[in-house]
Amino acid sequence: GAGVSQSPRYKVAKRGQDVALRCDPISGHVSLFWYQQALGQGPEFLTYFQNEAQLDKSGLPSDRFFAERPEGSVSTLKIQRTQQEDSAVYLCASSSTGYEQFFGPGTRLTVL
Amino acid sequence: EDQVTQSPEALRLQEGESSSLNCSYTVSGLRGLFWYRQDPGKGPEFLFTLYSAGEEKEKERLKATLTKKESFLHITAPKPEDSATYLCAVQGAQKLVFGQGTRLTINP
Repeated sequence: GAGVSQSPRYKVAKRGQDVALRCDPISGHVSLFWYQQALGQGPEFLTYFQNEAQLDKSGLPSDRFFAERPEGSVSTLKIQRTQQEDSAVYLCASSSTGYEQFFGPGTRLTVL
Repeated sequence: EDQVTQSPEALRLQEGESSSLNCSYTVSGLRGLFWYRQDPGKGPEFLFTLYSAGEEKEKERLKATLTKKESFLHITAPKPEDSATYLCAVQGAQKLVFGQGTRLTINP
């Protein structure tokens, strides 16, 4: 079946621009997670949804980061007023159990 | 705070040369330890879940083991296509905490 998909795969933004990253989870997966991965590092947790409820947003680095999942399926991670330190790969994962997470290919964000 | 440390950071082997990757962890209330494989430009690909000390799982040339403080990913007679970054992660509450990964290169 179809896996987790993310779009766009690559995004270049000028410093100060707003960006929106989309995640389509595996159909029927209740749990959805966002991670940030810097070059040469492991993914770092950003936020977690169960259906449409955002249960944990402790990893969001600042109030410029905002995530939503209004209908319990597709999720959007929005970054306002992007800064150079926001450059990273943003990964989305979904899970039916909350344990084994299946990852999408990621969106590589470059802020100039 | 949950922590994961992987060693070595990078490992270069000849085809057929077996070895092990280490994942040391501290976590309050382990719910699972996970191994993922990540190829360049792709998301992590799930390999194994281990839930309790003494548990072992195998898949092709890979075998994962778990103790109360660490996990090993053993690779037997590796092939060039096994080259990738291998990530270890632990789950305490809901949050998955990853190590920095081991970059494995298998030379033909």
